[in-house]
Amino acid sequence: DIQMTQSPSTLSASVGDRVTITCRASQSISSSLAWYQQKPGKAPKLLIDKPSSLESGVPSSFSGSGSGTEFTLTINSLQPDDFATYYCQQYNSYPRTFGQGTKVEIK
Amino acid sequence: QVQLQESGPGLVKPSQTLSLTCSVSGGSISSGGYQWTWIRQHPGEGLEWIGNIYYSGSTYYNPSLKSRVTISLDSSKTQFSLNLRSVTAADTAIYYCAREKIAFRSEIFDSWGQGTLVTVSS
Repeated sequence: DIQMTQSPSTLSASVGDRVTITCRASQSISSSLAWYQQKPGKAPKLLIDKPSSLESGVPSSFSGSGSGTEFTLTINSLQPDDFATYYCQQYNSYPRTFGQGTKVEIK
Repeated sequence: QVQLQESGPGLVKPSQTLSLTCSVSGGSISSGGYQWTWIRQHPGEGLEWIGNIYYSGSTYYNPSLKSRVTISLDSSKTQFSLNLRSVTAADTAIYYCAREKIAFRSEIFDSWGQGTLVTVSS
């Protein structure tokens, strides 16, 4: 299985901050990576794919980059609606695997 | 717009079989381009991929659960199901069904059910 490791596990930030979440794969996954946002009591929501293509309706404040084994999700100018948990996920091979999540909380 | 909805018992006894159904509306399970997936989330934890099924009936399962899992399509072609045998308390989780969209160099979970909590307890 490909292990996905996110850092940090928790991130405390303020509205307006720029935050970056890192996701590392245990082996190369090319560009086969997606990012999801999950709010309490809700299903995850797809944000970014491949890993820099924003899904329709996702604010342009979100951006993704990387390839191979290292990827980043950046949120420019954090908004109140952005406080949530973020997961990376690889689809390069089976089984599909997710990072352990990064909780973005209010500082 | 496709919608997915999980249904099934919220409480299952240890050693029994957990059975869930995902109803799909606004789209067809019978068309190609998608894999119909089950994912679970232990309380307060991350996401674990269980397995998927293609409209042809071909399946992939997580090796960690493979010996206990069966995913199947309903003959109505509007539902797919999860059976997880010999459950223990470690199988207590929120279970999500999701659609994995297959595109050029992309396979993403673009639609999700709301999730259903299944507790394993006597």
